[in-house]
Amino acid sequence: DAGVTQSPTHLIKTRGQQVTLRCSPKSGHDTVSWYQQALGQGPQFIFQYYEEEERQRGNFPDRFSGHQFPNYSSELNVNALLLGDSALYLCASSLEVVGELFFGEGSRLTVL
Amino acid sequence: AQKVTQAQTEISVVEKEDVTLDCVYETRDTTYYLFWYKQPPSGELVFLIRRNSFDEQNEISGRYSWNFQKSTSSFNFTITASQVVDSAVYFCALSGRRGSQGNLIFGKGTKLSVKP
Repeated sequence: DAGVTQSPTHLIKTRGQQVTLRCSPKSGHDTVSWYQQALGQGPQFIFQYYEEEERQRGNFPDRFSGHQFPNYSSELNVNALLLGDSALYLCASSLEVVGELFFGEGSRLTVL
Repeated sequence: AQKVTQAQTEISVVEKEDVTLDCVYETRDTTYYLFWYKQPPSGELVFLIRRNSFDEQNEISGRYSWNFQKSTSSFNFTITASQVVDSAVYFCALSGRRGSQGNLIFGKGTKLSVKP
């Protein structure tokens, strides 16, 4: 039973570029949440998707957007990258909004 | 506002020592959930425990135990007879939305190093 898978695992971008990160939820899960974890900090909630709609959103600018597909997989898009966007981006899936979260290993983004 | 404070940034112990990781939280919600996660070097967060605000019973799971004290807004985590494999960053987290684990407020984490 595959857990939460994320791609790519590492990537390097330059300021102003755009990036797309992908997440496949654990089998049977229908809800995906995204977190940003800066070095030495705890994860910060970006947003949550359920039934292909954004259900909750944290305190992140509109440069951060997402999408959930009919197969429950999800993408996180970040436009106009800033140096401060360098972080580990974690995806977590659950069965419905109230389910226990299972995390992937993350995508480490470096912005130069 | 909701907040989680883990005052211990790093802890280093020798194998077989007991160690307690502190967690203090702030919330105005009457119903809330508290969590502990473990983050090994590989990066994924591993769920350890969830406790709701109405259940103040301490819990023990093998070498792990948790002490929830509502009066002091604390949810501390103790590892008994620590092992090298316990080395990781441990996060305490809070969810104020009833039943929802999607939006968690995390502390900054405590890095535990267990030396042989």
